[in-house]
Amino acid sequence: AQTVTQSQPEMSVQEAETVTLSCTYDTSESNYYLFWYKQPPSRQMILVIRQEAYKQQNATENRFSVNFQKAAKSFSLKISDSQLGDTAMYFCAFMNSNSGYALNFGKGTSLLVTP
Amino acid sequence: DTAVSQTPKYLVTQMGNDKSIKCEQNLGHDTMYWYKQDSKKFLKIMFSYNNKELIINETVPNRFSPKSPDKAHLNLHINSLELGDSAVYFCASSQTPRAMNEQFFGPGTRLTVL
Repeated sequence: AQTVTQSQPEMSVQEAETVTLSCTYDTSESNYYLFWYKQPPSRQMILVIRQEAYKQQNATENRFSVNFQKAAKSFSLKISDSQLGDTAMYFCAFMNSNSGYALNFGKGTSLLVTP
Repeated sequence: DTAVSQTPKYLVTQMGNDKSIKCEQNLGHDTMYWYKQDSKKFLKIMFSYNNKELIINETVPNRFSPKSPDKAHLNLHINSLELGDSAVYFCASSQTPRAMNEQFFGPGTRLTVL
């Protein structure tokens, strides 16, 4: 079974600073997809960024970027120029055919951005 | 226009009751999902339907029964509610059940069983 581990239950960063959230996963498959979802206090789940395992280039979406290390099975999220609106739970998720293409989530990291 | 909607957003009920949560998507997607988020915020897949056919049925009590009258709707019916069923239930949809199609989530339904 695929497992997703987020080792940082809580993190804090000051506005305008950079923060990195960690995620590791365990799979024996070579073809899969990885995602970061954000859940603000409104509880809406919002896709932040996604990465295909066969692509070596790290995905980037504006202030959000990932460091995908396939051999190490690591998929960290970097948030640059943190904003107050980035305060949320961040979930790392894994998907492949073995999971029926359902998202397999980590336990989440609660990020607080302070003024 | 709301892409994925759920009703109700909040549901408070007594143990032993039967309740339903409705989900509708207007994105023209083929695949819909139910996820459960527990009190520790852990999200876990419950069911997935593709074109009204069940494709994922995780280990959930058979008191939970999904029903998909058409591919735009996936409802969740829960019989004989228990305290442990208290959670937030999210509906989601994606274009197909393959590849890295984005899953769009509904606003969630917070179920409280007293």
